[in-house]
Amino acid sequence: GAVVSQHPSWVICKSGTSVKIECRSLDFQATTMFWYRQFPKQSLMLMATSNEGSKATYEQGVEKDKFLINHASLTLSTLTVTSAHPEDSSFYICSARDHPGGPQHFGDGTRLSIL
Amino acid sequence: RKEVEQDPGPFNVPEGATVAFNCTYSNSASQSFFWYRQDCRKEPKLLMSVYSSGNEDGRFTAQLNRASQYISLLIRDSKLSDSATYLCVVNDDMRFGAGTRLTVKP
Repeated sequence: GAVVSQHPSWVICKSGTSVKIECRSLDFQATTMFWYRQFPKQSLMLMATSNEGSKATYEQGVEKDKFLINHASLTLSTLTVTSAHPEDSSFYICSARDHPGGPQHFGDGTRLSIL
Repeated sequence: RKEVEQDPGPFNVPEGATVAFNCTYSNSASQSFFWYRQDCRKEPKLLMSVYSSGNEDGRFTAQLNRASQYISLLIRDSKLSDSATYLCVVNDDMRFGAGTRLTVKP
């Protein structure tokens, strides 16, 4: 149980393109989803916390107009990287949990490469 | 002071060794504790939750020390496949630290 699916797993696109990443909880309802970014050999950095039906809470330094998060249902959250540039190239990972205080379950991650 | 602190390592141990990691936390009201492992270029995977009385899963033992505000992970009989970065998560603070890097060598 507790499977989180993230799609796509790999994206390569041109600078200026907007990229949407989906995160789905397959066998549980995720009241809260989290979006992380990880650069090579660095730790996971929390970008935002997303609660179903409300606006995401962004971490300090993360541009909410750049990284659009939508959590319209209890099983789906999306992250859209708008007008992506090479410096946005990174490993983006989502996670979900079904209750406060519970463990997070991670998606497989999305490798984003902007040329 | 950071909410959660871990020794980044690296820990380099031979196969079969016993190794232990600690993770200290600053919020005495913390209630939920977890250990994750992350392999290179992969997502973190839940290794085990940490219960107040301590818990064991095969070669892995997790313990909580509320008085000193730390959790620990003990790995017995290390395998090559245990090589990874081990991350602790405390309470509802979903910010990960750098983790502790473990390399098990033949």
